[in-house]
Amino acid sequence: AQSVTQLDSQVPVFEEAPVELRCNYSSSVSVYLFWYVQYPNQGLQLLLKYLSGSTLVESINGFEAEFNKSQTSFHLRKPSVHISDTAEYFCAVSDSGGANNLFFGTGTRLTVIP
Amino acid sequence: DGGITQSPKYLFRKEGQNVTLSCEQNLNHDAMYWYRQDPGQGLRLIYYSQIVNDFQKGDIAEGYSVSREKKESFPLTVTSAQKNPTAFYLCASNRVASGNQPQHFGDGTRLSIL
Repeated sequence: AQSVTQLDSQVPVFEEAPVELRCNYSSSVSVYLFWYVQYPNQGLQLLLKYLSGSTLVESINGFEAEFNKSQTSFHLRKPSVHISDTAEYFCAVSDSGGANNLFFGTGTRLTVIP
Repeated sequence: DGGITQSPKYLFRKEGQNVTLSCEQNLNHDAMYWYRQDPGQGLRLIYYSQIVNDFQKGDIAEGYSVSREKKESFPLTVTSAQKNPTAFYLCASNRVASGNQPQHFGDGTRLSIL
């Protein structure tokens, strides 16, 4: 089974500063990679996904993530954060092995400081 | 707008009581899922259903039960056998149960013990 590691449980960053949220997964077999964002007392919203093709994927609100197969990583980055980016971010990984194969990391709480 | 509706938003359970969490989707998705979220632990899969009248146990099914009588509905019952039910419960769905199909989430139900 896959496992997902989000090394940083909390990341404080000043407004307009860059941020990187790290995600590593365990297996080097073909995988699909996702970042989800969760605002307080809400469900998860899909932020971006890597299924195939270009290793750099972007979201509509300025986040991007790069799939690095050799390092089994899918780090999330944003060059300039806003207060509204304060939320919890989850990395998730699945493969083609079956229906119950979406594995989540433990989440990173991003706090943007004014 | 298509989406997933979970109700109620907050639920309280007494000792020895079964409670049922509702999940309805109008996305015409075949697959539906129930996750439990605890602080610092990410999401853990309770049950999933790939098609009507079929469902499978996830990683932490003990003390829970589900039904899938209609495509749109996937209710979760937390039974009295679940000794630590306090958590945030999330329902999700995707078009088909495949790793490359992102899951869409409802806004969750927070269950507490009285």
